[in-house]
Amino acid sequence: SQQGEEDPQALSIQEGENATMNCSYKTSINNLQWYRQNSGRGLVHLILIRSNEREKHSGRLRVTLDTSKKSSSLLITASRAADTASYFCATFGNSGYALNFGKGTSLLVTP
Amino acid sequence: NAGVTQTPKFQVLKTGQSMTLQCAQDMNHNSMYWYRQDPGMGLRLIYYSASEGTTDKGEVPNGYNVSRLNKREFSLRLESAAPSQTSVYFCASPNRDRERNEQFFGPGTRLTVL
Repeated sequence: SQQGEEDPQALSIQEGENATMNCSYKTSINNLQWYRQNSGRGLVHLILIRSNEREKHSGRLRVTLDTSKKSSSLLITASRAADTASYFCATFGNSGYALNFGKGTSLLVTP
Repeated sequence: NAGVTQTPKFQVLKTGQSMTLQCAQDMNHNSMYWYRQDPGMGLRLIYYSASEGTTDKGEVPNGYNVSRLNKREFSLRLESAAPSQTSVYFCASPNRDRERNEQFFGPGTRLTVL
């Protein structure tokens, strides 16, 4: 069953602004991952944060994880038009065999 | 390295027809997965194969069969296609390396069942 739920479902910002999207999940996890999907393409892995980590950075990406609230956030700083895509969080449980994906946040970055 | 490849990219079927979606990975991964993606539903796991010779049902297996032909190839078969199987199908293979645990996805197969 789908465990991650992203919020908001859709987000529209201008180039240069920051984009923040949130993910909530239901059960205990081993790690949480964020993926990007450009229109008509497959998903691409962005970043992974383990359950014992609170924050992680990768380039313009910043991910936080709060296991007490079962939530995570993805911040994209200084957004570019090329960041326009759908973003999915996915959780990997302690006893799981596969990732559970949320429904995604659709991000539109306008020039 | 091509990563994960899928064929075909597009397919239109009539209700009741059968077809096989092909997937191959050249990353020497043990596990392979089939997902379907529907609007507003995210990705749902159909079947997975933890290693060569093993397959297991995921969340939505009804109407599908799979074959793990060898370590590289994992196929998904629709025996009698139904309109409810109109979807985008993704094959994926995870890297179970200790430091990285990401899934690599193929480009997808867009299937329409009329």
